Amino acid sequence: NAGVTQTPKFRVLKTGQSMTLLCAQDMNHEYMYWYRQDPGMGLRLIHYSVGEGTTAKGEVPDGYNVSRLKKQNFLLGLESAAPSQTSVYFCASSSRTGSYEQYFGPGTRLTVT
Amino acid sequence: KQEVTQIPAALSVPEGENLVLNCSFTDSAIYNLQWFRQDPGKGLTSLLLIQSSQREQTSGRLNASLDKSSGRSTLYIAASQPGDSATYLCAVDQTGANNLFFGTGTRLTVIP
Repeated sequence: NAGVTQTPKFRVLKTGQSMTLLCAQDMNHEYMYWYRQDPGMGLRLIHYSVGEGTTAKGEVPDGYNVSRLKKQNFLLGLESAAPSQTSVYFCASSSRTGSYEQYFGPGTRLTVT
Repeated sequence: KQEVTQIPAALSVPEGENLVLNCSFTDSAIYNLQWFRQDPGKGLTSLLLIQSSQREQTSGRLNASLDKSSGRSTLYIAASQPGDSATYLCAVDQTGANNLFFGTGTRLTVIP
């Protein structure tokens, strides 16, 4: 049981490049989330999904797109990376019922130069 | 917009002490409040979740309380150990879809 995994762990991009971050969970959770963590800012919600095929905007969605084609996967895309998107990105998942406890992945450290 | 504040930003205590971490939030219309632990370079681990109708939750040496009307929560750690050293984050769910607003955390160091 791997829980929540994220790929890649580290990435350096040049301004204007694109990339996709992959999040996978094996707990059959309905809800999935993408957060970014910046020094002094805490974690902020980028996008979330309450089920396969559905996505919604969080607190800081600009510059990002997401897709949830399969229940176990949640992809975060950066179409044209900017230095302001340098951050640590965390994926999380939770069940729609029960404890609502969120399980987090180990994070992806992204640097945009 | 919901704002979550954690004071102090950092705290050092000798091993064995009992301690309290504080969390305050500006909008009391919440579904639940959660406490997490984050070790350096790692993801978050859920510690306790308090539903809006509850006053407290306990897990081992940890006890979290919630006073929704005053917008406050505390995390009590009994008999602290060096392994408790980490950053502790609180977060509130305002939407019912578990969309969390996080505080900036308290970095705890327990000195052996």
